[in-house]
Amino acid sequence: NAGVTQTPKFQVLKTGQSMTLQCAQDMNHEYMSWYRQDPGMGLRLIHYSVGAGITDQGEVPNGYNVSRSTTEDFPLRLLSAAPSQTSVYFCASSPRTGEVTQYFGPGTRLLVL
Amino acid sequence: AQSVTQPDIHITVSEGASLELRCNYSYGATPYLFWYVQSPGQGLQLLLKYFSGDTLVQGIKGFEAEFKRSQSSFNLRKPSVHWSDAAEYFCAVAHDTGFQKLVFGTGTRLLVSP
Repeated sequence: NAGVTQTPKFQVLKTGQSMTLQCAQDMNHEYMSWYRQDPGMGLRLIHYSVGAGITDQGEVPNGYNVSRSTTEDFPLRLLSAAPSQTSVYFCASSPRTGEVTQYFGPGTRLLVL
Repeated sequence: AQSVTQPDIHITVSEGASLELRCNYSYGATPYLFWYVQSPGQGLQLLLKYFSGDTLVQGIKGFEAEFKRSQSSFNLRKPSVHWSDAAEYFCAVAHDTGFQKLVFGTGTRLLVSP
């Protein structure tokens, strides 16, 4: 199993550009989440999904869109990038039942100029 | 709303010495608690978790944590630190509306001196 994979690893954008951060998991997990990590602030939840076709907002959703058309994939879209979105983005997945534990991807480092 | 406090931003420990990282949470019911470690430039790796039962939890890499309900704490410990333990450590609590939502502390960066 590859676990949770994220692409790209690093991206530089100009203000106003759009892009999609990709996240995929091969563990058949129902739950998937996106977090951003900023210095001194830990990780904050952006959006999450409890299954294909179902998404909801987390703590800091503004400026981001998500969709979940398949169990495996959970892309994060920045429609018009802003310097405040410079951050490291982590995707995570977890099963719906049992001792639920989130497994994290390696992260995408985003710089918005 | 849940919250997690890690009062120490940085901690320096000599190699071979013991370690304790503090974590306090705010949560009304029985919390589901986690400790993650992040090495520089890497993702988060789960060290250990507490869901119920024995309040002393054993994890990977020789770490353990003790859940103390009376103190709302879930401190991470290791009896003898190795240089490879230098990393950032995050305490987290699962949101009461679902495990897919974790609330993280701000992290503690561990430095290991020779």
